[in-house]
Amino acid sequence: AQKITQTQPGMFVQEKEAVTLDCTYDTSDPSYGLFWYKQPSSGEMIFLIYQGSYDQQNATEGRYSLNFQKARKSANLVISASQLGDSAMYFCAMREYGNEKLTFGTGTRLTIIP
Amino acid sequence: SAVISQKPSRDICQRGTSLTIQCQVDSQVTMMFWYRQQPGQSLTLIATANQGSEATYESGFVIDKFPISRPNLTFSTLTVSNMSPEDSSIYLCSVGLAGGPLETQYFGPGTRLLVL
Repeated sequence: AQKITQTQPGMFVQEKEAVTLDCTYDTSDPSYGLFWYKQPSSGEMIFLIYQGSYDQQNATEGRYSLNFQKARKSANLVISASQLGDSAMYFCAMREYGNEKLTFGTGTRLTIIP
Repeated sequence: SAVISQKPSRDICQRGTSLTIQCQVDSQVTMMFWYRQQPGQSLTLIATANQGSEATYESGFVIDKFPISRPNLTFSTLTVSNMSPEDSSIYLCSVGLAGGPLETQYFGPGTRLLVL
């Protein structure tokens, strides 16, 4: 069974600094995808970045990058040059190939301090 | 990505009543999903809705409580029946869009439900 663990319930970061949000996962399937979503206080879930298990390079999307360490089963999200608008809940999620179900972690609440 | 809308955006309901939530997508999609997010919690999948077939429910969710319709490839509804305060949650629909070996799920804006 797939499982996602986010060990940081909350983080406070100074504006303009970089921040790393931790995510570890567990699966026996060699083919899977890892996703990060942002949930502002409005409640919507915003897709940020995707990493496939066979991707050779770490995924990047603008200020977001994914530090993928397959042997350690970790997929940490790195946000560079943080902004006040980055304050939100961040969820790591995983999906195994051939299974439509997306499993979410418990989330990390990120607060950017001016 | 896709433009996904949900109605209503929020509602306050009395216990024992039912609420139907609509999810509309601006393109045809095969799979639609319904999630529940209880206060301070993560997202939990309620069911997967395919067009033209019965929805597939996750453990702990039953059709009598959460009936789902999927009349076409752009629309779905979730009904929360015989509501109790424990049903107070954000309900989100999502769709899978092909963008590689694994479809990325994109979410609607959610429906905030408070049951008194």
